[in-house]
Amino acid sequence: NAGVTQTPKFRILKIGQSMTLQCTQDMNHNYMYWYRQDPGMGLKLIYYSVGAGITDKGEVPNGYNVSRSTTEDFPLRLELAAPSQTSVYFCASSYGVRETQYFGPGTRLLVL
Amino acid sequence: LAKTTQPISMDSYEGQEVNITCSHNNIATNDYITWYQQFPSQGPRFIIQGYKTKVTNEVASLFIPADRKSSTLSLPRVSLSDTAVYYCLVGVSNFGNEKLTFGTGTRLTIIP
Repeated sequence: NAGVTQTPKFRILKIGQSMTLQCTQDMNHNYMYWYRQDPGMGLKLIYYSVGAGITDKGEVPNGYNVSRSTTEDFPLRLELAAPSQTSVYFCASSYGVRETQYFGPGTRLLVL
Repeated sequence: LAKTTQPISMDSYEGQEVNITCSHNNIATNDYITWYQQFPSQGPRFIIQGYKTKVTNEVASLFIPADRKSSTLSLPRVSLSDTAVYYCLVGVSNFGNEKLTFGTGTRLTIIP
């Protein structure tokens, strides 16, 4: 039981490039989340999903897209990367919206 | 959206009891209060969750007054390894779409 896994661990992007951050959970959780955490700051919700095929925006969705084709996977897509997207991205999952969230190890992204 | 308010930082000596308070004036009737701990370069991890009165587990206690407009996380006899950021999370209901909001976090530093 690996929990929540994220790839890659670290990535440098040039301005305007695109990439997909991968997130997989093996706990059969319905809910999945993407957060970003800027240096010294708290977590901000980007997108979340309540189940396969259902996604919704969080607090800071601009510049990102998500999809949820399976229960296990919840990739985050960055189109036209900007320096403001330099951050650490955490994926999390939970059984229900009020249940404990389990976080992945994070992806550190640097946009230059 | 309702927001939570926590002290930005706290210092404490080893062996003391630490209490961190979170204000959540607009908490909804069905919302739970959850606390997470985050070490540097790691994702947050669950500490404790409660709805009212008092909850205790092997690492912490959570005190919630009758009006539920605040909650207090209590860490007994802290050690250096308790140095971390602590987040208060309150479920938020908005026209049926539940969105969770992390607080600003409290940076706890344990002094030898």
